[in-house]
Amino acid sequence: KQEVTQIPAALSVPEGENLVLNCSFTDSAIYNLQWFRQDPGKGLTSLLLIQSSQREQTSGRLNASLDKSSGRSTLYIAASQPGDSATYLCAVTGTASKLTFGTGTRLQVTL
Amino acid sequence: DADVTQTPRNRITKTGKRIMLECSQTKGHDRMYWYRQDPGLGLRLIYYSFDVKDINKGEISDGYSVSRQAQAKFSLSLESAIPNQTALYFCATSDPGLTAYNEQFFGPGTRLTVL
Repeated sequence: KQEVTQIPAALSVPEGENLVLNCSFTDSAIYNLQWFRQDPGKGLTSLLLIQSSQREQTSGRLNASLDKSSGRSTLYIAASQPGDSATYLCAVTGTASKLTFGTGTRLQVTL
Repeated sequence: DADVTQTPRNRITKTGKRIMLECSQTKGHDRMYWYRQDPGLGLRLIYYSFDVKDINKGEISDGYSVSRQAQAKFSLSLESAIPNQTALYFCATSDPGLTAYNEQFFGPGTRLTVL
């Protein structure tokens, strides 16, 4: 059974810092990996999707990497802003298009 | 306009009541999913459907049933609600033929409280 772990569970950084969120998964037989953002009381917004054959994806200040063989992904956020404050979820797609989610990292960016 | 909508957005009900949560999508996707989110447990898959005639159980289907009324509509029912079904429920869609890498798109969620 696939298990996805995210570390840390919570993180507080001052505005302007670069930061890294970590995601690990136990079964490397994945189809893709997605990073989502969730704001309180809101739905999930897809940030980046990395196909299993890719090593990284970039979107603006976000960069996600994937090392499938070691079961790890990182989400790098450059020059953090208060508007980046949210919970970040990592999820892997395995067989039958089913997503397995991590429990998330709650990020707070302070002024 | 939202591509994936869920109704209701919030619902409070009592133990033993039958509840239906509805999901509609305008993305034209074939695949639809229902997840629940509990604090500290992440999202877990309840049921999924790859087309109108295809329904599959997910990780935590006990106590739930679903109906795929049309390509665009996928409903989740709690036949007899119990307090531990209090959670945030999400609907999602995907279509490997229409989007790159079978990316999933989520609705805004339904917050259900069972007293």
